[in-house]
Amino acid sequence: KNQVEQSPQSLIILEGKNCTLQCNYTVSPFSNLRWYKQDTGRGPVSLTIMTFSENTKSNGRYTATLDADTKQSSLHITASQLSDSASYICVVSAWGYNKLIFGAGTRLAVHP
Amino acid sequence: GAGVSQTPSNKVTEKGKYVELRCDPISGHTALYWYRQSLGQGPEFLIYFQGTGAADDSGLPNDRFFAVRPEGSVSTLKIQRTERGDSAVYLCASTREGANVLTFGAGSRLTVL
Repeated sequence: KNQVEQSPQSLIILEGKNCTLQCNYTVSPFSNLRWYKQDTGRGPVSLTIMTFSENTKSNGRYTATLDADTKQSSLHITASQLSDSASYICVVSAWGYNKLIFGAGTRLAVHP
Repeated sequence: GAGVSQTPSNKVTEKGKYVELRCDPISGHTALYWYRQSLGQGPEFLIYFQGTGAADDSGLPNDRFFAVRPEGSVSTLKIQRTERGDSAVYLCASTREGANVLTFGAGSRLTVL
């Protein structure tokens, strides 16, 4: 069964600190993996998208990694800001399928 | 439009009533998706349109749910005989043909009392 699991479920950090969010998937055949940020009351917004051959991709203070062998991805946030408080959702798509498989998300709270 | 627009942003209804949720995708986006998101969960796929036709409706939970996109642009998600379990945020997303990134609307929050 195609699944995406994220950890931790929730996380609280202090402003300025770094954090890493984890995503494990069992989707096959793998096409690409995306990280989305979802602010409260808003739709998800894409942060990065990675294909099978990509190991690392950065978008400002966000750096995503992908290990297609172990089927794991991480999202590292550097020098966190209060505006980083949101849910971060890992999404995986499989070749030949139109629907994306969403993880439940990690709810991040950045405190001053 | 500049983004994906969804209306209403909030809808409160009574059990058993009929509800319509509207999605206006980005102009020129041929693919349109509906997702349902319950509190604390990731979005769950409902239906995917390519143009006017529903290419994949395997996520619709039962026959009370139906969606249309008659002119290949605006889509309407229709829910008959609403139940309390239908309460969720209904998200719409669109993308250009062949593109990987979905653009999501802000969602329509449905509450069934």
